[in-house]
Amino acid sequence: ETGVTQSPTHLIKTRGQQVTLRCSSQSGHNTVSWYQQALGQGPQFIFQYYREEENGRGNFPPRFSGLQFPNYSSELNVNALELDDSALYLCASSLRSDTGNTIYFGEGSWLTVV
Amino acid sequence: AQTVTQSQPEMSVQEAETVTLSCTYDTSESDYYLFWYKQPPSRQMILVIRQEAYKQQNATENRFSVNFQKAAKSFSLKISDSQLGDAAMYFCAYRSAFAGNFNKFYFGSGTKLNVKP
Repeated sequence: ETGVTQSPTHLIKTRGQQVTLRCSSQSGHNTVSWYQQALGQGPQFIFQYYREEENGRGNFPPRFSGLQFPNYSSELNVNALELDDSALYLCASSLRSDTGNTIYFGEGSWLTVV
Repeated sequence: AQTVTQSQPEMSVQEAETVTLSCTYDTSESDYYLFWYKQPPSRQMILVIRQEAYKQQNATENRFSVNFQKAAKSFSLKISDSQLGDAAMYFCAYRSAFAGNFNKFYFGSGTKLNVKP
């Protein structure tokens, strides 16, 4: 049990639609990041947020966006969904002052785009 | 850019025996962290072991140990006395020590470990 919770656990969307995924970080953690894990692959970094601002982005287009709230919960929004967006989306949180950087992952949200 | 390569898509081990999972990485940085994560069917990533690049001593956590070869950019995981609960996907991961990249991990493609009773 990592204290990082994600919702929903599974969802199905139609191509072109928009989706919002939610993450509640472990208590006291001020940094959250999102990863996309396609079937049979390792997770790929989408972006991270620190103190409510985006603080690093991977190779993902602008239709992937996020928010971090004062209580350190977070959202991942994906617009204009494409079939290739079907994947497990993982949220991870950490305490930035922890230079050893142990991050804690949630169980993910499975997104299927049809 | 950093890359992490796991060349063994799947491995099998007999219960109570030892298995080694391989990982290589590419980076131009001198200071970084390396990790092994376990992902069971529940899909939650669980930290197995961590290695700081500036430490020459190999990390050990109970039955799990690593062989870190910095010059060769190799980072293998050895699991001793394998248990049925060790069956999972194992991911090797890299993280820069640069302060701005706290949560930016680069993951390999994973090795599926089967444990036979």
